[in-house]
Amino acid sequence: DIVLTQTPLSLSATPGQPASISCKSSQSPLRSDGKTYLHWYLQKPGQSPQLLIYEVSNRFSGVPDRFSGSGSGTDFTLKISRVEAEDVGVYYCMQSAQISSKTFGQGTKVEIK
Amino acid sequence: EVQLVESGGGLVQPGGSLRLSCVASGFNFGSTTMTWVRQAPGRGLEWVANLKEDGSDEYYVDSVKGRFTVSRDNAKSSLYLQMNSLRAEDTAVYFCARGGARYFEYWGQGTLVTVSS
Repeated sequence: DIVLTQTPLSLSATPGQPASISCKSSQSPLRSDGKTYLHWYLQKPGQSPQLLIYEVSNRFSGVPDRFSGSGSGTDFTLKISRVEAEDVGVYYCMQSAQISSKTFGQGTKVEIK
Repeated sequence: EVQLVESGGGLVQPGGSLRLSCVASGFNFGSTTMTWVRQAPGRGLEWVANLKEDGSDEYYVDSVKGRFTVSRDNAKSSLYLQMNSLRAEDTAVYFCARGGARYFEYWGQGTLVTVSS
């Protein structure tokens, strides 16, 4: 199975300042169709997870443009250009390159200073 | 509006069984792969199983293979998870999610399963 390692595991962000989370994959989440199946989710306190970014860099419907995803190969990054108070929660990367197995990173807890 | 509503969770003894249900609305359920994901208390997310739209392909995380079975009734827009031989480590909130072939677009609020004597 593909293992995803997120860093940092916790982050104290300053409102209005940028923040970033890294996700390193034990092998490339690239499928034979040429797409990279690496996605990002946010789980706000007391809520179920919500999709932010799919296939590395595509923002899901309704996701603010301060969120962006990038990366290739085995290294991926989620960036928040200007952190807002509503961005608190736990961020997870996830891979679905293998049809028979999907895995999540450990999660990164984001708090506001 | 997409809605996913899970039910069927509760307290069960080790070795027992439980059947979870997820009722979907707001989209064409019969055309979508569906997924179960769980989250143990204070822990991260773990993919459990997914089932193709026509029920032809089902996949499971290794830790539940042979014990859990995912099924669906497209006429009722419902997804199920039959859980047998439950263990303490199966204690978690179980989420139903739309999607699974690529990513999980929408999630339900979850149902809590507690395995304890």
